Amino acid sequence: GAVVSQHPSRVICKSGTSVKIECRSLDFQATTMFWYRQFPKKSLMLMATSNEGSKATYEQGVEKDKFLINHASLTLSTLTVTSAHPEDSSFYICSARPLDGGHQETQYFGPGTRLLVL
Amino acid sequence: SQQGEEDPQALSIQEGENATMNCSYKTSINNLQWYRQNSGRGLVHLILIRSNEREKHSGRLRVTLDTSKKSSSLLITASRAADTASYFCATDSSNTGKLIFGQGTTLQVKP
Repeated sequence: GAVVSQHPSRVICKSGTSVKIECRSLDFQATTMFWYRQFPKKSLMLMATSNEGSKATYEQGVEKDKFLINHASLTLSTLTVTSAHPEDSSFYICSARPLDGGHQETQYFGPGTRLLVL
Repeated sequence: SQQGEEDPQALSIQEGENATMNCSYKTSINNLQWYRQNSGRGLVHLILIRSNEREKHSGRLRVTLDTSKKSSSLLITASRAADTASYFCATDSSNTGKLIFGQGTTLQVKP
């Protein structure tokens, strides 16, 4: 089956630092990847759509200068949380939609990255 | 914004019993998907049902969709302790892959 990885799985950083999270599709290509945020015992909230070769599309209320997204290749998207603050502490999950038209409706989720900002 | 409402929020049953979770949504959709999440982990895709479908089966899972009521249900038959997890419905309204998730149902299956 299709596999999506995220790195790191867990990160602790000091307030004010920037953190980069990688999302990779391991055995398929994806022109579109999605970034979600999940608070404890809550649902997933879509943050942005990452498009290979073009700018990301952010959902309303998500600061694009705060959450930088780069989709450099068909298998890699990165989310950088800039100048992180404790309120940015959360579980960040990515998903990828295969390029193959036959299965475009299905997307595959990464295992998530837990960010703790001290 | 989150458009899905799920009920119950929490469900506790004995192994072997059936578990039913419901999901309601607000706008028209192209498809509705159900996902499972074990505590602190990523999501596992369970089943996708398109707007022109009414029922789908996959192993012990049965999903129904009523577009007139904007609701869906997930039935897990003969539950097992390993089914303990949170279950989310998610709707795709534009077929772009942008999913709007429901609040989720936390299922506990007691051995």
